[in-house]
Amino acid sequence: DTAVSQTPKYLVTQMGNDKSIKCEQNLGHDTMYWYKQDSKKFLKIMFSYNNKELIINETVPNRFSPKSPDKAHLNLHINSLELGDSAVYFCASSQSGVLETQYFGPGTRLLVL
Amino acid sequence: KQEVTQIPAALSVPEGENLVLNCSFTDSAIYNLQWFRQDPGKGLTSLLLIQSSQREQTSGRLNASLDKSSGRSTLYIAASQPGDSATYLCAVRPGSSKLTFGTGTRLQVTL
Repeated sequence: DTAVSQTPKYLVTQMGNDKSIKCEQNLGHDTMYWYKQDSKKFLKIMFSYNNKELIINETVPNRFSPKSPDKAHLNLHINSLELGDSAVYFCASSQSGVLETQYFGPGTRLLVL
Repeated sequence: KQEVTQIPAALSVPEGENLVLNCSFTDSAIYNLQWFRQDPGKGLTSLLLIQSSQREQTSGRLNASLDKSSGRSTLYIAASQPGDSATYLCAVRPGSSKLTFGTGTRLQVTL
């Protein structure tokens, strides 16, 4: 009964490839997020969707394209992968409203060779 | 621009000690502050969330305080155990949906 799940857990790929990471939440939340944790363990927001609508888009290269087919899913597609994309990507969800706790998935460890 | 700093970056204590982790933020206009725990190779687990109108929150051996005007929060862990070893992250919510995270404190509790 995992609350926020991500697939795959690990992803090793070559530079220039295109890859996708999937996220699903079964908490009934209406807001989902993607965060990136770099090699120094610093976590930074990338995107946020509320009811399938993009509401936050930080300065992320347009090679990164999130897609939310429904409120329970937020996928991240990355084109033309670069070495600097290697990181851990975390999905999170919450109910809308600034008072709500965010719940995080287990992370996807991406290594670009 | 909101910046969140955590001190110390790393901490090692013997089992049974009480300890305090510090978090400071530059912009006091926040809605809430959240403390998370991250175990190696794992995701984040929410520990405590303090609303901007609150001064502290408690959960078991954990107590988090918030002084919004001075831009500070502390996480107090009582009677530390080896199972408390993890990285502790604080994050502030400035009003939009996103969280701004601190740099983390890596805690090791030794036997």
